[in-house]
Amino acid sequence: DIQMTQSPSSVSASVGDRVTITCRASQGISSWLAWYQQRPGKAPKLLIYAASSLQSGVPSRFSGSGSGTDFTLTISSLQPEDFATYYCQQANSFPHTFGGGTMVEIK
Amino acid sequence: EVQLVQSGAEVKKPGDSLKISCKGSGHSFTNYWIGWVRQMPGKGLEWMGIIYPGDSDTRYSPSFQGQVALSVDKSISTAYLRWSSLKASDTAMYYCARLLDYTTVPHFDNWGQGTLVTVSS
Repeated sequence: DIQMTQSPSSVSASVGDRVTITCRASQGISSWLAWYQQRPGKAPKLLIYAASSLQSGVPSRFSGSGSGTDFTLTISSLQPEDFATYYCQQANSFPHTFGGGTMVEIK
Repeated sequence: EVQLVQSGAEVKKPGDSLKISCKGSGHSFTNYWIGWVRQMPGKGLEWMGIIYPGDSDTRYSPSFQGQVALSVDKSISTAYLRWSSLKASDTAMYYCARLLDYTTVPHFDNWGQGTLVTVSS
């Protein structure tokens, strides 16, 4: 299986801050990467696919970049509704493994 | 509107069998792969497998192969996740989700609300 490692595991930030989360794959996955947001008690929501394509309806403050083994999710100006846990997921090969998650908390 | 509606919470004993469901609406159910994702209490997401309702083709994670079974009844647009003998370690929230496109966007764009399975003696 391809291992997906996210860092940091948690980050404390304030409304308006710029937040960056990284995801590293144990082997090259080209651009077969997605990012999801999960609010407490809710199902995950697809934010980004193909490493940098914004899913329909997702605010433009979310952006993704990277290819190969190293990827980044950036929230340009954190909003109150963005406090949640974020997961990366690779789809280069089965099983389509998820990263361990990054919790974005209120400072 | 695409919707996936899952069956309700279950409380079972070790050794029991269980089948939970995921009913799709608002899209052509037979044309989209449906996947299942486990989330153990306080933990992250685990990809279990996917099934294509059109012909029941499946892909399992090695971690879940032989432990669970995926199936569909396309006549009622419903996917299932089944256990033949539950263990306490199966206690988790289980989500079904629709794969946007198997070849171009193999990620989950619509999710069910989750089914909480509790296994306890």
